[in-house]
Amino acid sequence: QQQVKQSPQSLIVQKGGISIINCAYENTAFDYFPWYQQFPGKGPALLIAIRPDVSEKKEGRFTISFNKSAKQFSLHIMDSQPGDSATYFCAASKGYGQNFVFGPGTRLSVLP
Amino acid sequence: GAVVSQHPSWVICKSGTSVKIECRSLDFQATTMFWYRQFPKQSLMLMATSNEGSKATYEQGVEKDKFLINHASLTLSTLTVTSAHPEDSSFYICSARSDRTGYGYTFGSGTRLTVV
Repeated sequence: QQQVKQSPQSLIVQKGGISIINCAYENTAFDYFPWYQQFPGKGPALLIAIRPDVSEKKEGRFTISFNKSAKQFSLHIMDSQPGDSATYFCAASKGYGQNFVFGPGTRLSVLP
Repeated sequence: GAVVSQHPSWVICKSGTSVKIECRSLDFQATTMFWYRQFPKQSLMLMATSNEGSKATYEQGVEKDKFLINHASLTLSTLTVTSAHPEDSSFYICSARSDRTGYGYTFGSGTRLTVV
């Protein structure tokens, strides 16, 4: 119930394309869903986060889509750039600021 | 705002020695700090949660006597890996949040520990 599943494990996208990463959870007590971006040798950095009272949130080229009934949420990166190449982690927590359960990560490579 | 500084960024130590990693919140007071461990190409595993002025809460399977956590002030938490062994080699990351300032969850830049 604490697990967050994430797919795909790795993703290769051409520059300018759309990158889509999906996550699913079981615990309905989760109410905060952030996405983190991590470059090699660095700590994760918050990209965007959503709460279950909205179905979509957009910040620049990054969009979270949230489906509460399906217990799924996804990250869309529009106009993907080589600089977006990193590992992306979805996460979930029971409340803002509580410790997170992280998904296994997706390694994104954007080809120039 | 909400900067977390972690030091050192990398360290090599000999087997049997102890290593201390510092995590500082630079521009906010962090009532809670979390320590994670990350193996190559894997996700972050929560090791422990520390609240300022109290004992850390360790996750199941984490040896509290091996991974000593101290959160003595609102801006500093330390993780000491005692009697390090090669299997302790990993990437350690801290994160911090504050109840008082409303800041979210900010991660440090991580520490690469190699035990030889």
